[in-house]
Amino acid sequence: EAQVTQNPRYLITVTGKKLTVTCSQNMNHEYMSWYRQDPGLGLRQIYYSMNVEVTDKGDVPEGYKVSRKEKRNFPLILESPSPNQTSLYFCASSFLGLAGTYEQYFGPGTRLTVT
Amino acid sequence: GENVEQHPSTLSVQEGDSAVIKCTYSDSASNYFPWYKQELGKRPQLIIDIRSNVGEKKDQRIAVTLNKTAKHFSLHITETQPEDSAVYFCAASTGANSKLTFGKGITLSVRP
Repeated sequence: EAQVTQNPRYLITVTGKKLTVTCSQNMNHEYMSWYRQDPGLGLRQIYYSMNVEVTDKGDVPEGYKVSRKEKRNFPLILESPSPNQTSLYFCASSFLGLAGTYEQYFGPGTRLTVT
Repeated sequence: GENVEQHPSTLSVQEGDSAVIKCTYSDSASNYFPWYKQELGKRPQLIIDIRSNVGEKKDQRIAVTLNKTAKHFSLHITETQPEDSAVYFCAASTGANSKLTFGKGITLSVRP
């Protein structure tokens, strides 16, 4: 089954404790992204990757790191989480279709709480 | 950078009526405009998209129109049903590198 998976799905942690949220896709998609969703703010892109070893900042990259060592994986790293990073996080993958469109396939989401 | 705005933030319609959701964008270089639907507790899913070389696109009860001059695009849902109740996000992209900028979302409620 074609899918994007994220782990963990729920995480409660404390300020300053490094954490990693994993993301994996089995569709051989070139593009992958991380978003955070907050009430009233919609979906905001954190980082995106156009291919292996190619990443770029989105709209809200501060406090986050990513890496793309393999095409299928795109982990999100919070080196020193703070309470303002409490949010719902979505990973997504996509590919450039022949018509020049690209559908984002979202993972199930990771709800992170930083106390 | 690109700025995408959706207004209003909530919309309530009677079942069977039509719903129109509008978005504006700021970057005239944007050429790809998708719409995503997010049901409560679920992930966003693409429902329709349009490229800037097309003025309108339809898929059964939903359609999207694009006005490049005014830099706005709209989602039209006809014959609304309770299962259309969800949050709808518009987005825009220059298409060059898959960076998508989303609007803040609109909550559509369809009253039975």
